[in-house]
Amino acid sequence: NAGVTQTPKFRVLKTGQSMTLLCAQDMNHEYMYWYRQDPGMGLRLIHYSVGEGTTAKGEVPDGYNVSRLKKQNFLLGLESAAPSQTSVYFCASGLDTIGTQYFGPGTRLLVL
Amino acid sequence: KNEVEQSPQNLTAQEGEFITINCSYSVGISALHWLQQHPGGGIVSLFMLSSGKKKHGRLIATINIQEKHSSLHITASHPRDSAVYICAVRGGGSNYKLTFGKGTLLTVNP
Repeated sequence: NAGVTQTPKFRVLKTGQSMTLLCAQDMNHEYMYWYRQDPGMGLRLIHYSVGEGTTAKGEVPDGYNVSRLKKQNFLLGLESAAPSQTSVYFCASGLDTIGTQYFGPGTRLLVL
Repeated sequence: KNEVEQSPQNLTAQEGEFITINCSYSVGISALHWLQQHPGGGIVSLFMLSSGKKKHGRLIATINIQEKHSSLHITASHPRDSAVYICAVRGGGSNYKLTFGKGTLLTVNP
């Protein structure tokens, strides 16, 4: 039981490049989330999903897109990376709306 | 939007000391979470509270709904407790989202 996994662990991009971050969970959770963590700030929600085929915007969605084609996977895309998107990205999943969220190990992204 | 404030921002203690980290929030909530993040590491959920008090090993979490305040206590602190402790709150109703505090960096020296 791997829990929540994220791919890749670390990536360097040049401004304007695109990439996709993959989050996978094997706990059959309905709810999945993408957060970014920046120094001096709390975790901020980018996008979330309440089930397969659904996505919704969070607090800081601009510059990102997401897809949830399969229940176990939640993809975060950057179409044209900007230095302001340099951050650590965490994926999380949960069984319901009020319970514990289980976090992945994070992806460190550097945009030059 | 709920504002979540944690204090202190940084805390240094000697091994064995009793630790208290505080969290205050501005509007009513359905649940409050305490999480732990080790340096360079992932985030682990420690507690979820909607009322009262919970205990797990040397960790105790309390919440006062009327005062909109929660505390995380660590008894007999140990260097392995060194981490960032994060408070997060969930609003009521159909609000799925957590609002996070900035975290408290705890360093426990041997």
